[in-house]
This record gives sequence, structure tokens and C-alpha cells, in this order.
Amino acid sequence: EIVLTQSPGTLSLSPGERATLSCRASQSVSNSYLVWYQQKPGQAPRLLIYGASIRATGIPDRFSGSGSGTDFTLSISRLEPEDFAVYFCQQYGYLPLTFGQGTRLDIK
Amino acid sequence: QVQLVQSGTEVKKPGASMKVSCQASGYTFTGYHIHWVRQAPGQRLEWMGWINPSSGGTNYAQKFQGRITMTRDTSIRTAYMELSRLRSDDTAVYYCARVYCSSPSCYYDYWGQGTLVTVSS
Repeated sequence: EIVLTQSPGTLSLSPGERATLSCRASQSVSNSYLVWYQQKPGQAPRLLIYGASIRATGIPDRFSGSGSGTDFTLSISRLEPEDFAVYFCQQYGYLPLTFGQGTRLDIK
Repeated sequence: QVQLVQSGTEVKKPGASMKVSCQASGYTFTGYHIHWVRQAPGQRLEWMGWINPSSGGTNYAQKFQGRITMTRDTSIRTAYMELSRLRSDDTAVYYCARVYCSSPSCYYDYWGQGTLVTVSS
């Protein structure tokens, strides 16, 4: 099973700042199989990025994904108030499918 | 528009079974796999398995083998996930999600609203 470890656990930033979230895999994951989701309290996750770097339809260009192998990054260039949420990575390539434990992005 | 609407909150006793439904609308139900994912309090999302609504074929996470069954009724565009021999650590929000593949990538593009299942004596 591929274990995804996200860091930091919590990130406290102010609107307008840049956020950098990390997702590290216990073994190499093809870029094609790395996905990022956003989740707000009481809501289902929302697709942000797939294929490590491809923004989903309707996702603002302040969100970007990068990385390869075992290290992947989600960046949010200028935080908007609606971006404060929990972010999960997922690997979709290898069974069992697995998720990271999440990074909570809090308003400072 | 695409929607996945799940059944409502359930409270179950240990040892009982649960069955959550996921009704799809706004797309061809048999054209996309449905996955089930759960989120226990304070825990990461956990993949449980998938069903191919067209064939009825399934693939379950090993952790749930023997006590999980996924089915579908194409006439009402609904997928079901049944989990038996419930334990307190099965308390979670259960989600269905539609899989979209843009080769070679696949991902969950639509999710149900989640169903809270509480297992307690």
C-alpha cells in the first residue's frame, strides 16, 4: 500500500499570501495518478488538480500542482478567503487507492 | 447537471448491517464507475471499493473483503454499498464518487453529499 504523507498538518496564513502544501509518497507514483482535493467543513471533497498539475474545470489559476516520483506540491499563489479549507492528495494508480491525511489551511 | 444524492443519516448497533444508496442524475449512469470512500472522525479518507454500473463488476479493498457488497439498480440509476458486522470504528461519513478518466489520469469529479453512519450500542 502506498502511504501518502502530507505536510504541514496545519498551515496558518493570511489572505494574499502564498501557500505551499506537500504530499510525499512512500513509493514512486506516476504523475498521471496524483490528485488534489479541497474539502470544506460539512462538504464533500472538491477536485482541484489531477495528473499532478492539471487544473480541473473551473479551478482558478492561482492553484497549481507540481512534482514527480515521491514528492508533490500544491501551491496557492494568492490566498483568497474561500481557500481556507483542508486539502488532500490521493494516488489513483495503485490499489488500494490511498489518500493523504490532509493539510488544514487556517486564516492567520 | 451531474448529481449524486445519497441516503440519509443512519444509527446502527454493533453487529448490524448498513446499506447506503447513491442515486445519480445528469449523466449516463452506466458510463462511469462509482467508488465508495469513507471518512471516520479525525481520520483520512479511506477507499472502500468500486462498482462498474454497466456490468455490476466490483473491486473491494482487502480490508473490507467478506463484509462489503456493492450493487446497483440501473433502472433507477442507483448504486448501493452494504457493510455488515458493523463495529464502532465503522462510524464515519460514507461518500460515493463518480470516476472520470482522461487517459491516463482518473479522478473523482463528482461526489455525493455524504452519509453519516454512527455505530453505537
